[in-house]
Amino acid sequence: NAGVTQTPKFRILKIGQSMTLQCTQDMNHNYMYWYRQDPGMGLKLIYYSVGAGITDKGEVPNGYNVSRSTTEDFPLRLELAAPSQTSVYFCASTPSGTGGETQYFGPGTRLLVL
Amino acid sequence: DQQVKQNSPSLSVQEGRISILNCDYTNSMFDYFLWYKKYPAEGPTFLISISSIKDKNEDGRFTVFLNKSAKHLSLHIVPSQPGDSAVYFCAASALSGGATNKLIFGTGTLLAVQP
Repeated sequence: NAGVTQTPKFRILKIGQSMTLQCTQDMNHNYMYWYRQDPGMGLKLIYYSVGAGITDKGEVPNGYNVSRSTTEDFPLRLELAAPSQTSVYFCASTPSGTGGETQYFGPGTRLLVL
Repeated sequence: DQQVKQNSPSLSVQEGRISILNCDYTNSMFDYFLWYKKYPAEGPTFLISISSIKDKNEDGRFTVFLNKSAKHLSLHIVPSQPGDSAVYFCAASALSGGATNKLIFGTGTLLAVQP
């Protein structure tokens, strides 16, 4: 049982490049989330999904896109990378999103945009 | 507008003593609070939670206290151990507002437990 896995662990992008951050969970959780954590700051919600085919914006969605074609996978897409997107990105999942369930986090992807 | 605040960026305590980490919130709609622990190069892991219908929740060495009138919660670790050294995040959600379990995080407190 791997839980929530994220790839890659670290990536350097040039301004204007695009990339997809991968997130997979094997716990059959319906709800999945993408957060970013900037230095000295808390985690901020980018996008979330309540099930396959359903996604919605969080606090800081600009510059990102997501899709949810399966229960297991929730990729995050950066189309035109900007230095402001330098951050650590965490994916999380929870069974149903109700009742204050614990969110299970992946190990994170560190992204540097130069 | 920071709805969840952790005003102490860092805290240092001696092994065996009590660690007290504090968190304040501004949104009165929050009704569920959690503490997450994070080691370097790892994702946050859930530690303990409390619903707004309670004022205390205890789990082993960890106790969370909630003061709704002051919009304040605290995490007590007794006794503190070197392995507790990590960043602790306070988080809040408004479950009664909808079934999305969206969390609002504080900025974190780095706890260092000295042997």
